[in-house]
Amino acid sequence: LAKTTQPISMDSYEGQEVNITCSHNNIATNDYITWYQQFPSQGPRFIIQGYKTKVTNEVASLFIPADRKSSTLSLPRVSLSDTAVYYCLVGPPYSSASKIIFGSGTRLSIRP
Amino acid sequence: NAGVTQTPKFQVLKTGQSMTLQCAQDMNHEYMSWYRQDPGMGLRLIHYSVGAGITDQGEVPNGYNVSRSTTEDFPLRLLSAAPSQTSVYFCASSYSRTVGQETQYFGPGTRLLVL
Repeated sequence: LAKTTQPISMDSYEGQEVNITCSHNNIATNDYITWYQQFPSQGPRFIIQGYKTKVTNEVASLFIPADRKSSTLSLPRVSLSDTAVYYCLVGPPYSSASKIIFGSGTRLSIRP
Repeated sequence: NAGVTQTPKFQVLKTGQSMTLQCAQDMNHEYMSWYRQDPGMGLRLIHYSVGAGITDQGEVPNGYNVSRSTTEDFPLRLLSAAPSQTSVYFCASSYSRTVGQETQYFGPGTRLLVL
């Protein structure tokens, strides 16, 4: 399984764009990159998933360079409610009967 | 759909007691898993299942047993509770037969305190 490395914590202010980078140097050819968000006292919630280039949804964008050894989660114009822990996961399709491993995540704090 | 449900929400045990944490999903998901989360830490995988009758160990399986007799249910059993098992336990499920990683849906968690 590809190991991921993320910053332990980040701070930003309301209205700013926040970019959280995840390193996954050992990513395999069939691995996907998935990001989850976790609020205190809740289970994680899916944000976005991608394989290569750029993926965008109503919540965030995910940028994946050509070598796929890293990825960046971009949160546009954050608000106080975006304060949470963000997890980057890398792994093959679930049909491969694989374990899904969470890392330590990045604790994002948004200030007024 | 109720999604993923977990019971109980909170439990206090004495060292050496056994108990079962219940997890159920009504989305016909094949993949189910159990994680524990200690204060200020990430999630660690305990056990997982890719379908009824099939289970496997995660990162931290010692002290826990699981079984998957139906698609809907995936109980986690603590054989002899220890203070080190004080944690928040999350159950998750997903539909595995898709391209890419399918979204995992998490339950609300069970807070366990072992004295």
